[in-house]
Amino acid sequence: GAVVSQHPSRVICKSGTSVKIECRSLDFQATTMFWYRQFPKQSLMLMATSNEGSKATYEQGVEKDKFLINHASLTLSTLTVTSAHPEDSSFYICSAQPGLATRSYEQYFGPGTRLTVT
Amino acid sequence: KQEVTQIPAALSVPEGENLVLNCSFTDSAIYNLQWFRQDPGKGLTSLLLIQSSQREQTSGRLNASLDKSSGRSTLYIAASQPGDSATYLCAPTRGAGSYQLTFGKGTKLSVIP
Repeated sequence: GAVVSQHPSRVICKSGTSVKIECRSLDFQATTMFWYRQFPKQSLMLMATSNEGSKATYEQGVEKDKFLINHASLTLSTLTVTSAHPEDSSFYICSAQPGLATRSYEQYFGPGTRLTVT
Repeated sequence: KQEVTQIPAALSVPEGENLVLNCSFTDSAIYNLQWFRQDPGKGLTSLLLIQSSQREQTSGRLNASLDKSSGRSTLYIAASQPGDSATYLCAPTRGAGSYQLTFGKGTKLSVIP
């Protein structure tokens, strides 16, 4: 149980285009989902926290107009990187948390999406 | 602001050895702490979650301990195997009122056959 999927696993896009990454909890409902990015040999940095039906809360320094997050259902959150630039190239990972419904605050992570902007 | 330090940054051991990975954090007002493993280019696999009220958790060859008041956690791996080679990440929650995780930089473990 507690499986989280991400799609796509890899994406290459041209500078100036937008890319959407999906994060799904497959066998549980996620009250909260989180988006992280990870640079090579670095730790995970939290970008934003999203609760179903609410606006996402962004970490300091993360541009909300550039990284659009939608959490439209209890099993799906999307991250859209708008007007992508080479410096946005990174490994993006989502996690899902069952939360209040099950009193479980454990986070379950997706397999990640490797974004390369050329 | 929660800060997490993991020592050592890298560790190489022969197969069969028992080993300990260390994690320290600055804000002790945590809800829980999770240990993860990450294989190269992959996402995170949750290994153990310790609630703030617990002292330790065990799963198979893994045992994680938590000393919340001193801001320390250890992950003990018994009888290490080559398949244990990965980066191990410690992630306590941020502090009072937050379930968000803060990650350390990890310990890269290599188990030599």
